[in-house]
This record gives sequence, structure tokens and C-alpha cells, in this order.
Amino acid sequence: DVKVTQSSRYLVKRTGEKVFLECVQDMDHENMFWYRQDPGLGLRLIYFSYDVKMKEKGDIPEGYSVSREKKERFSLILESASTNQTSMYLCASSSPILANTQYFGPGTRLTVL
Amino acid sequence: GQQLNQSPQSMFIQEGEDVSMNCTSSSIFNTWLWYKQDPGEGPVLLIALYKAGELTSNGRLTAQFGITRKDSFLNISASIPSDVGIYFCAGQSRQAGTALIFGKGTTLSVSS
Repeated sequence: DVKVTQSSRYLVKRTGEKVFLECVQDMDHENMFWYRQDPGLGLRLIYFSYDVKMKEKGDIPEGYSVSREKKERFSLILESASTNQTSMYLCASSSPILANTQYFGPGTRLTVL
Repeated sequence: GQQLNQSPQSMFIQEGEDVSMNCTSSSIFNTWLWYKQDPGEGPVLLIALYKAGELTSNGRLTAQFGITRKDSFLNISASIPSDVGIYFCAGQSRQAGTALIFGKGTTLSVSS
């Protein structure tokens, strides 16, 4: 079974704080993704990575950065959290061997006060 | 950009009823995926479709990859209360590469 885990289920941070969201997958997948999900807007792609140290901007990268130092781990960084970054953050992974079918983690509900 | 139209937006049904939802696209997809998301959880993959015309079942769920490659449907037979949740379609095209295009979701409510 594919397993994607995220470091926190719930997180509360203050405006201006630096926030790290961690994602780990145990299936040796090449591709990893970060989405945010907001009511009425669906899932929106923030960044993705198709290899270690590689990253590509998604649809809404502003205010975010990512890091992929190891194949199994993909981190999302909010350099200076703002209230409009309050959202559900979802990590996913996929492999070309599995037709790039994406498998999701349980999500992190981030609240920025 | 590419868009997926998913309908209906929401459904309210009685336990035991069958359910049907669909997604359409203006462009061709190589892969169609259906996910279910429970409140506060991440989406869980239900069915993956990789060939035009493919019909695949997973228990009471059946999904089809449209022959035009621009649509897909998901049917749930004999619904039960635990079917409640949000169902998302997602498509993958050559243009988008490894990224998925998601529908906005169908919220299913089941009353017993």
C-alpha cells in the first residue's frame, strides 16, 4: 500500500512566522506535489518536484517555497505566514511506473492568526 | 487553461439509491482518476482509468473512461451512509505532464 504522511494534522501559527510542512512517502515515487484546498476553489497546485533537488512552480507558488533534499521527503515552506494562507494543505506523490497516478496524504489544516 | 466540469455539485439521496456523477473536459485526457474525500482527510483514490472506453469497478463503484477521452462518469450502486463525502474527478493530459487537473467535486449526502 502506498503511504504518504504529513508531519502535522493541525497547525496554528501567527502572521509573519516561518512555517514548515513536511511530507514523506514510502513508495520510492519520483514525483511529489503540494496542493492547497479551499472551499469553492477546489485543489490548487502550489509546487511539484519530479526528482531530488528539482522543483517546478504550480498554479499558485507566490508566498511559498519548497525543498526536496531526499527522494522520500518534500517540504513546503511559508517564509512569512499570512492570514490568507489559512487552508488545508495536501501532499501527494506519484510515479511514472504507475502511470503517474497520485496518492494523497491526510492533509494539514493550517490556521494563521 | 484546461478545465474540468464536474456535475452535479451536490446530491442528497436516500440510502439504497444509485448515484451517478460525471466530469467533462474541453481537451483530451490520457488518464481519469476518481477520488473520495472525507471531512478533514486527504482524498483517497477510488478508481483509475487509463484507456478510452475502459469500464472499471471497485465494489459498488463503477467508472468509465469516455471514448472521446473528454469525459468520465462514476456510478455508486445501493448507496449506504458511509458513502457520504466529496467525490473528485481528476484528469491527466500530455500538455499538463505529471500534473492533474481536478474537478470541483460532488458533495454526496445520504439519509438513512
